[in-house]
Amino acid sequence: QKEVEQNSGPLSVPEGAIASLNCTYSDRGSQSFFWYRQYSGKSPELIMSIYSNGDKEDGRFTAQLNKASQYVSLLIRDSQPSDSATYLCAVNSGGYQKVTFGTGTKLQVIP
Amino acid sequence: DTGVSQNPRHKITKRGQNVTFRCDPISEHNRLYWYRQTLGQGPEFLTYFQNEAQLEKSRLLSDRFSAERPKGSFSTLEIQRTEQGDSAMYLCASSLTSQTANYGYTFGSGTRLTVV
Repeated sequence: QKEVEQNSGPLSVPEGAIASLNCTYSDRGSQSFFWYRQYSGKSPELIMSIYSNGDKEDGRFTAQLNKASQYVSLLIRDSQPSDSATYLCAVNSGGYQKVTFGTGTKLQVIP
Repeated sequence: DTGVSQNPRHKITKRGQNVTFRCDPISEHNRLYWYRQTLGQGPEFLTYFQNEAQLEKSRLLSDRFSAERPKGSFSTLEIQRTEQGDSAMYLCASSLTSQTANYGYTFGSGTRLTVV
């Protein structure tokens, strides 16, 4: 079982819709959870972090964490073509030592 | 602060040659990480430093790979006797991390290595 699993996509949504990206992780002791956005040919950029169960909102982005189900999600409201990118879920395990990344979900926002 | 800086941006080398990459982290950050990313995959952990101490090294890292961070400032990643399988994007990241919190990474632009 992979430590961090994501559907590779592509996930296609129309402009203005809500994009929902999901991630599961295997280490129950994980404490910190992150979403990174990566445009083609560029390096990852941190867009959200979440540390406790529930929702965390930042502008059009909402991160959701359910530690009991070992599940993290990212919602993007009012999706724009500029949101088209690969979204990487990352989980901090091993006592905050390093972060493990999923393979990423490619999001395509159709104008 | 100009963020995390990596040099060179691109490197093409012949199989069997040695290459060295440099990373300059954000000065206030105490940790520096090296990751490798291939097409269609997420970044894979290679090694990390807290200040000048190398605290963990991935099993992915063969003895051809070595990393240093003299004086806890910039870091170098050297690959000896390169192989075609080493072709990848090498990403450096820095973070402000304590024993009880991790605030996420800031990545550099990466060094794309092509071994021919």
